[in-house]
Parts: sequence; C-alpha cells; structure tokens
Amino acid sequence: GEQVEQRPPHLSVREGDSAIIICTYTDSATAYFSWYKQEAGAGLQLLMSVLSNVDRKEEQGLTVLLNKKDKRLSLNLTAAHPGDSAVYFCAVTNTNTGKLTFGDGTVLTVKP
Amino acid sequence: EAAVTQSPRSKVAVTGGKVTLSCHQTNNHDYMYWYRQDTGHGLRLIHYSYVADSTEKGDIPDGYKASRPSQENFSLILELASLSQTAVYFCASRGLGSNTGQLYFGEGSKLTVL
Repeated sequence: GEQVEQRPPHLSVREGDSAIIICTYTDSATAYFSWYKQEAGAGLQLLMSVLSNVDRKEEQGLTVLLNKKDKRLSLNLTAAHPGDSAVYFCAVTNTNTGKLTFGDGTVLTVKP
Repeated sequence: EAAVTQSPRSKVAVTGGKVTLSCHQTNNHDYMYWYRQDTGHGLRLIHYSYVADSTEKGDIPDGYKASRPSQENFSLILELASLSQTAVYFCASRGLGSNTGQLYFGEGSKLTVL
C-alpha cells in the first residue's frame, strides 16, 4: 500500500522565518495532495490541496510544491508567525481506492 | 457549512468491553472514514466506506468493525476493547466528486481503555 514519509518530525523557527515541511510518497496512482493543520485538542483543518497536474500553488503565505517525478510534496510557510504553531500533516489520495494516507506529522513551533 | 459530528466525544471503557463510536455527517458525502491518532503520531486509517451498506478495510482494521447503515451514519465498533486501543478516533467525510480530495473531520472521540 501507499507509504508516506514526512519530515522533519519537529521544526522550530523564529517569527518571520520560513518553515519547510516535506513528504515523499510511493504510489503513482495518487490524485490529490493535501496539507492539514491540527491545533491542540482539535481536529484537522485543510490548508491547501492540489491535484496531480499542478506543480505549484500559493495561497496566503503558503506555497505547496509537487514534484511527481521524485514523488515529493512540500509545504512552505514563507513568513511564519506564532499563530502558525501547530502540527501539520500531509495527505495523499489514491485515485483508484479513494483512500487517504497521512504522514506522521510535523510539530511546528514558531518563536516570537 | 459541512458538518461531521462524533459521539461520544470522550469515553472510558473496560478491557474486554464493547465500544461503539458513532459518526453523523450532513454533507451528503459518499465517502466516510475512521482514523485513529495516537499521541505524537499521525492518523492511521481503520475502515472506510464509499456507499451505504458497504465498508472497506483500511490499513489497521484488526480489532475493529465498521457499519454504514445509511449515507449519513458510520460507526466504529470495538467488540472486545483492549488497552492498545486507547487513542483519539477521528471520523471524516469526503465527496465523491470532490476535486480537492478534502476531508471534513469531526472533532474526535477520545477513548481510554482501562
């Protein structure tokens, strides 16, 4: 089945710095690529999602890059602020089965 | 606004007891999912369903059953709860025609097995 590896598991940056999280996946039959944010004690909220035919997407200080050749997905928070501190998950959706597989998450801490 | 509601939000169960976690969605979505999250870890798929009266095994189905009696409702059943099933369980839904793959999550059900 699909294997998703996410790194780093923990990331600490200063306010205003960039924070980059990377996921790699194994299954070529992957249609959708998503990033979710989970704040303490809450469920997951979608940050951004891209289809497999999109290489780059930018929205509100977030940039998602998709490299299908290397099966790599990244999330870049271009100017992090303390409110961005949370756990971030990537997720990939298999075209054929509809299954979503998540990475193990990255705990992001943004220090003032 | 899409809505997925889970019940109970928190439960303490005894080892060997039966636990049922319920999920209800008002999104008119075809897909529903049950994930478990362990402290410090990501979400692992237990069971999912893409149509009423049918369920599919996810990545960690052992020790769990699922039931989808209607499009709106999806239950997760632990017939004989064990200590290792202590976790937070999330239900989610997704539209079949979704062009983003977006999942809508419930708030989670914290299960403690003693």
